[in-house]
Amino acid sequence: DVKVTQSSRYLVKRTGEKVFLECVQDMDHENMFWYRQDPGLGLRLIYFSYDVKMKEKGDIPEGYSVSREKKERFSLILESASTNQTSMYLCASSFSGEEDTQYFGPGTRLTVL
Amino acid sequence: DQQVKQNSPSLSVQEGRISILNCDYTNSMFDYFLWYKKYPAEGPTFLISISSIKDKNEDGRFTVFLNKSAKHLSLHIVPSQPGDSAVYFCAASASSGNTPLVFGKGTRLSVIA
Repeated sequence: DVKVTQSSRYLVKRTGEKVFLECVQDMDHENMFWYRQDPGLGLRLIYFSYDVKMKEKGDIPEGYSVSREKKERFSLILESASTNQTSMYLCASSFSGEEDTQYFGPGTRLTVL
Repeated sequence: DQQVKQNSPSLSVQEGRISILNCDYTNSMFDYFLWYKKYPAEGPTFLISISSIKDKNEDGRFTVFLNKSAKHLSLHIVPSQPGDSAVYFCAASASSGNTPLVFGKGTRLSVIA
């Protein structure tokens, strides 16, 4: 059974703070992804990674960075949190291949005050 | 420009009846399609998928139909149950390139008892 875990379910931070969101998967997946979900906007891709130390920008990378030092772990960093980054953050992972089903973690609800 | 569109933001169905959720896509390179189900404050869970070599895939109460010529797919849930009430996301990918899934904005299904 695929397991994707995220470090926190709920997080409250202040404007200007540096925020780390951690994601770990236990299925030896090559690919990992970070999304945010906002009402009416669906799932928007922030960053993704196809291998250790590799990263690719998604649709909305501004204000975010990522780190992938180990295959199983993919971190999302908000360098200086702002109120418009209040959102649900979702991590996902998948194998590389033709039928790349992504498996999601439970999500982190981040509130920036 | 949205490559995957779910034109109905919401749908209400009576318990026991059929729910039909629709999805349209524009990119003819897409050849793998998935449906995810999401409850509030949880991550999306994979529901069912279909490859472009098929036009139908069934799993219990859930059936996905693919019409490649119309670039349209639909998810049928029969019979609908109150526990099916959730947001459903359609997603698509092109196996020819190492590109992430492209998601629609979701349809909120409410099954009324």
